Amino acid sequence: AQKVTQAQTEISVVEKEDVTLDCVYETRDTTYYLFWYKQPPSGELVFLIRRNSFDEQNEISGRYSWNFQKSTSSFNFTITASQVVDSAVYFCALSEAYPGGGADGLTFGKGTHLIIQP
Amino acid sequence: NAGVTQTPKFRVLKTGQSMTLLCAQDMNHEYMYWYRQDPGMGLRLIHYSVGEGTTAKGEVPDGYNVSRLKKQNFLLGLESAAPSQTSVYFCASSYPDRNYGYTFGSGTRLTVV
Repeated sequence: AQKVTQAQTEISVVEKEDVTLDCVYETRDTTYYLFWYKQPPSGELVFLIRRNSFDEQNEISGRYSWNFQKSTSSFNFTITASQVVDSAVYFCALSEAYPGGGADGLTFGKGTHLIIQP
Repeated sequence: NAGVTQTPKFRVLKTGQSMTLLCAQDMNHEYMYWYRQDPGMGLRLIHYSVGEGTTAKGEVPDGYNVSRLKKQNFLLGLESAAPSQTSVYFCASSYPDRNYGYTFGSGTRLTVV
């Protein structure tokens, strides 16, 4: 069975600091997908990134960057020059692939509550 | 706007009452899911469906039933609500190719008193 661990329950930093959110996953599949979602105080889930297991290239999108390392089963998320609007709960999630069809959805980590202080 | 719509957005139930949460998507997605979110627990899968007329149990199915009579709708039922079912419920949908990702509804906050 798959598992996603986000060991950091809560992180608090001062605005403009860089911050990294850790995500470690477990899966027996060779083909899988990793996701990050943001949940602001308003409660909706905002999709940030999707990465498949065959693409280990790091990705950068503005102030956000992701580091995928299969060797350590990690998919870490870094926010550079954090802003108050980045305050939210962030979830890492894993989806396994079923070539023959079928799906059992996303397995989520418990989330990291990020607080950016002005 | 295209997407996943959940109704109602808020509901308070008394212990033992029943209710149905509705999830509707207009993206022609094959797969649909119901999750619950509890503080410190992340989101956990309740039930899912891989197509019209099919449903399957997820991680925490007890106390819930589901139906997928139409491809675009996925209903979550609570036959006899319990305080332990107080939670935020999210519906999601996806294509079979997960490379297209998942689309989530805005959630239903349910309180059972």
